[in-house]
Amino acid sequence: QQQVKQSPQSLIVQKGGISIINCAYENTAFDYFPWYQQFPGKGPALLIAIRPDVSEKKEGRFTISFNKSAKQFSLHIMDSQPGDSATYFCAASRRAGSYQLTFGKGTKLSVIP
Amino acid sequence: EAQVTQNPRYLITVTGKKLTVTCSQNMNHEYMSWYRQDPGLGLRQIYYSMNVEVTDKGDVPEGYKVSRKEKRNFPLILESPSPNQTSLYFCASSPQAFPGQGYNEQFFGPGTRLTVL
Repeated sequence: QQQVKQSPQSLIVQKGGISIINCAYENTAFDYFPWYQQFPGKGPALLIAIRPDVSEKKEGRFTISFNKSAKQFSLHIMDSQPGDSATYFCAASRRAGSYQLTFGKGTKLSVIP
Repeated sequence: EAQVTQNPRYLITVTGKKLTVTCSQNMNHEYMSWYRQDPGLGLRQIYYSMNVEVTDKGDVPEGYKVSRKEKRNFPLILESPSPNQTSLYFCASSPQAFPGQGYNEQFFGPGTRLTVL
């Protein structure tokens, strides 16, 4: 059972455009939703995270939008740059649990000049 | 420098030959975990450890063993590797393991690419 569904699998965006990656979850007990960024040959690294008590969180060009009723959250990358080209993973976990992260399958983003 | 290290980074082996992938963190983290990453499947948790001598299965534990004798080390053991264990493996650690202590960022190692022939 896939608890976090991520789409699209791959995404090509022009430099300066907006990249949007979507995730949906099933377990209503999830209460922490991080996004991890992975560059080729590297391990994933935390990019930005949100708790369900807010509907949006912004850090620089990166924004998470969260819709609790729809059980969906998305990552928006504004003014996308070639340096943003990476694989992005959404994830979810429960504060009341063991801090296990359930990851989506990932989105490979390519930003072309 | 605070980091998670894994060794080896690359390994080619043959079916049935026991191997160990080491993982070490220098951040005094309680929680450690192993993931495997496969194309189209994302990151799947193999085993995790809440603290020394406390380990538990993740989503795909079959064919793997772990141990946590020291806080900083969390080796992954493949007793009899098979070709379906060919994958990219990541070790990760987090500061705290128990609820009520906030949300935890997981810090990942650089990965170990394993090929089993």
